[in-house]
Amino acid sequence: DTGVSQNPRHKITKRGQNVTFRCDPISEHNRLYWYRQTLGQGPEFLTYFQNEAQLEKSRLLSDRFSAERPKGSFSTLEIQRTEQGDSAMYLCASSKRTSGPFTGELFFGEGSRLTVL
Amino acid sequence: SQQGEEDPQALSIQEGENATMNCSYKTSINNLQWYRQNSGRGLVHLILIRSNEREKHSGRLRVTLDTSKKSSSLLITASRAADTASYFCAPFDAGNMLTFGGGTRLMVKP
Repeated sequence: DTGVSQNPRHKITKRGQNVTFRCDPISEHNRLYWYRQTLGQGPEFLTYFQNEAQLEKSRLLSDRFSAERPKGSFSTLEIQRTEQGDSAMYLCASSKRTSGPFTGELFFGEGSRLTVL
Repeated sequence: SQQGEEDPQALSIQEGENATMNCSYKTSINNLQWYRQNSGRGLVHLILIRSNEREKHSGRLRVTLDTSKKSSSLLITASRAADTASYFCAPFDAGNMLTFGGGTRLMVKP
């Protein structure tokens, strides 16, 4: 396994611009999760996919946030019209397909840090 | 899903000492997991303890689980400077996602 890969690792943008983050999960991991983490806090769940289906998106922070996983492999998280409050680390995680019950164990990427000026 | 609450929020010890951090949660679980996060990095899974287990070891890590008290503890023995990180517990209740509390920030001084 090459691990969960996130790009870019750092993004600095001006308020009002759109940004997109990409996550490549561990191959054959069927579930993919997005979290946001602000300084000194724990990760906050945003959304998750099972294969290409987005099964939970009610916790996306606003309608400016959207995520896709078009072919059930990589995923993108887009933030439109960024605000300074969007500055945070955006973490992606994936989990294994198992024949037994899902255990919830997650494999995280290194994150994409967003700074909105 | 439910999140765990870690205690203490911060812990500072000398290298070689043991570090103990605690986690409390609210409802029944299938398992409880501990993760570590080095500054500016992603989370790394450390250990998973099932609801029918009371204690589990992995190297210098010892995790206990008391389902009657809805609590868990993580003990790191003979700590090293490299153990400096934030530690998060994640109770899993057979939902579809993990949620995290604020974590315990451990500093191990050389």
